Amino acid sequence: GENVEQHPSTLSVQEGDSAVIKCTYSDSASNYFPWYKQELGKGPQLIIDIRSNVGEKKDQRIAVTLNKTAKHFSLHITETQPEDSAVYFCAASYDYKLSFGAGTTVTVRA
Amino acid sequence: DTGVSQDPRHKITKRGQNVTFRCDPISEHNRLYWYRQTLGQGPEFLTYFQNEAQLEKSRLLSDRFSAERPKGSFSTLEIQRTEQGDSAMYLCASSLSGFEQYFGPGTRLTVT
Repeated sequence: GENVEQHPSTLSVQEGDSAVIKCTYSDSASNYFPWYKQELGKGPQLIIDIRSNVGEKKDQRIAVTLNKTAKHFSLHITETQPEDSAVYFCAASYDYKLSFGAGTTVTVRA
Repeated sequence: DTGVSQDPRHKITKRGQNVTFRCDPISEHNRLYWYRQTLGQGPEFLTYFQNEAQLEKSRLLSDRFSAERPKGSFSTLEIQRTEQGDSAMYLCASSLSGFEQYFGPGTRLTVT
């Protein structure tokens, strides 16, 4: 099955700085790569996703890049704000089920 | 609110008891998924329905677990003879396309 590794496990950034989270996957058949944000006591919230026929996608302050050759993808958050503090999960899928990374706890310092 | 809803939000039960959780997906979504999330980990896939048909069950889903989706609408997940290792957050997600999956708030189960 698919194995997704996520780094770093924790990330502390100054408000206004950028945050980058990286993930690698094992199954070259994977073709869909979503990112989720999870706040305490809540379910994961889909924030951005990318499919294998696209190399980069941007939505306001967040962007995701995909390198299929190297089997890795990254989440970039620019101009971080206190409300960006949460746990972020990457995932990969080649069918209907998502395989998740272990998560990155992002703390934005005011 | 037209998102995915789950009930109950919290459940505390004693070891050996049976529990049942309910998930109501986004109304037009024909695909429904159950995941389990333990502390400090990402969600793990348990099972998947397309309409009322259960199409796959993970090896994580022992024979004490059963899921149903009658009439292709809401779904229930039952755990029989609960064990302390069943303590986790049980998440439900729904999808229209099979790609974007939208999660509910989860049911946190504590087995004492």
